[in-house]
Amino acid sequence: GAGVSQTPSNKVTEKGKYVELRCDPISGHTALYWYRQSLGQGPEFLIYFQGTGAADDSGLPNDRFFAVRPEGSVSTLKIQRTERGDSAVYLCASSDQGATDTQYFGPGTRLTVL
Amino acid sequence: KQEVTQIPAALSVPEGENLVLNCSFTDSAIYNLQWFRQDPGKGLTSLLLIQSSQREQTSGRLNASLDKSSGRSTLYIAASQPGDSATYLCAVRRGDNFNKFYFGSGTKLNVKP
Repeated sequence: GAGVSQTPSNKVTEKGKYVELRCDPISGHTALYWYRQSLGQGPEFLIYFQGTGAADDSGLPNDRFFAVRPEGSVSTLKIQRTERGDSAVYLCASSDQGATDTQYFGPGTRLTVL
Repeated sequence: KQEVTQIPAALSVPEGENLVLNCSFTDSAIYNLQWFRQDPGKGLTSLLLIQSSQREQTSGRLNASLDKSSGRSTLYIAASQPGDSATYLCAVRRGDNFNKFYFGSGTKLNVKP
């Protein structure tokens, strides 16, 4: 079956603009995660959804970042008033049991803020 | 806070060599540890997952060990091939918060033909 997909694959925007990044998890997976990966670093946790609710958003760096998953499937990560420091690869992962099961990652969205 | 360190940051070996990648973590109260592979421009692919109660896991030419008390894990790759060239990341899940993975910065492996 299809894996985790993310769109767009690349996004270039100007400082101060608003962006939305989309994640389509594997069908039936209840858990969904967003991570941010800077060059040469490992992924950094942002937020975790179990179903429709954000079970843990402690990794969001500030209130410019927000994520939703209204129907428990597709998720959107929203970044307001983008800054150059937001430039990174944003990765999405899903799993079917949350705590114990393997996370399956998407290819990521490379965000560049000019 | 959990800190995860991977040594070396980069490794270059000739094809056919056996090699070991190292991962250390500061808080031994983990739930599980997972090794991933990342190819350039791609997402992460899970290789092996070790629960905190386990000592090792094997898959093909890969063997991962876990010593929770000393805060260490190793990934052993036997008979390396050029197709093994990638960045290898380890990640730990805390025992008191299943939701978060804490990742190391990875080891970039180059296997020369």
